Amino acid sequence: DVKVTQSSRYLVKRTGEKVFLECVQDMDHENMFWYRQDPGLGLRLIYFSYDVKMKEKGDIPEGYSVSREKKERFSLILESASTNQTSMYLCASSLSPGLGTSTDTQYFGPGTRLTVL
Amino acid sequence: GQQVMQIPQYQHVQEGEDFTTYCNSSTTLSNIQWYKQRPGGHPVFLIQLVKSGEVKKQKRLTFQFGEAKKNSSLHITATQTTDVGTYFCAGITSNYGQNFVFGPGTRLSVLP
Repeated sequence: DVKVTQSSRYLVKRTGEKVFLECVQDMDHENMFWYRQDPGLGLRLIYFSYDVKMKEKGDIPEGYSVSREKKERFSLILESASTNQTSMYLCASSLSPGLGTSTDTQYFGPGTRLTVL
Repeated sequence: GQQVMQIPQYQHVQEGEDFTTYCNSSTTLSNIQWYKQRPGGHPVFLIQLVKSGEVKKQKRLTFQFGEAKKNSSLHITATQTTDVGTYFCAGITSNYGQNFVFGPGTRLSVLP
């Protein structure tokens, strides 16, 4: 089974702090994603990555950056946390880049609930 | 940009009643996926539909992809309390590269 793990389930930070959210997958997947989930807004894509050292902006990249130095690890960085970044952050991985095959399936981690005070 | 909408946003049903959620895309999709997220959990893949007009069944769940490949539905027959959760559709466009857009989800409550 695919396993996607995230470094923390709950995190509380102060405004202006630098925040690192780590995600690791163990199935050698090419693609990794960071979403935030807010009530009534569903899942919104922040950044994704097709390969090591490669990143693409999603729908809401402002205020975030990412790093993918190794294939299995995808980090989300909040350079200076703000209260409007309080949310549930979900990491996901998939095998193929969305070519309409069964390997498009995204496997999600358990999520990190971040609160910025 | 591509948008994926879902209705209803919330649905409360009595156990044993049927439930349907609808997913509509502003653009034609190459395929569509459905995910379920239990309360406190993370989204879990249910199924993928690829062909125009495709219908797939998983026990009490029936998934349908529209003829124009711009809409989809998930129907649950005789709901059970284990069906509680939020159901998301995710549309994938036919452009190369990941253009994977989730709908806002439909939250289902089942009253025993």
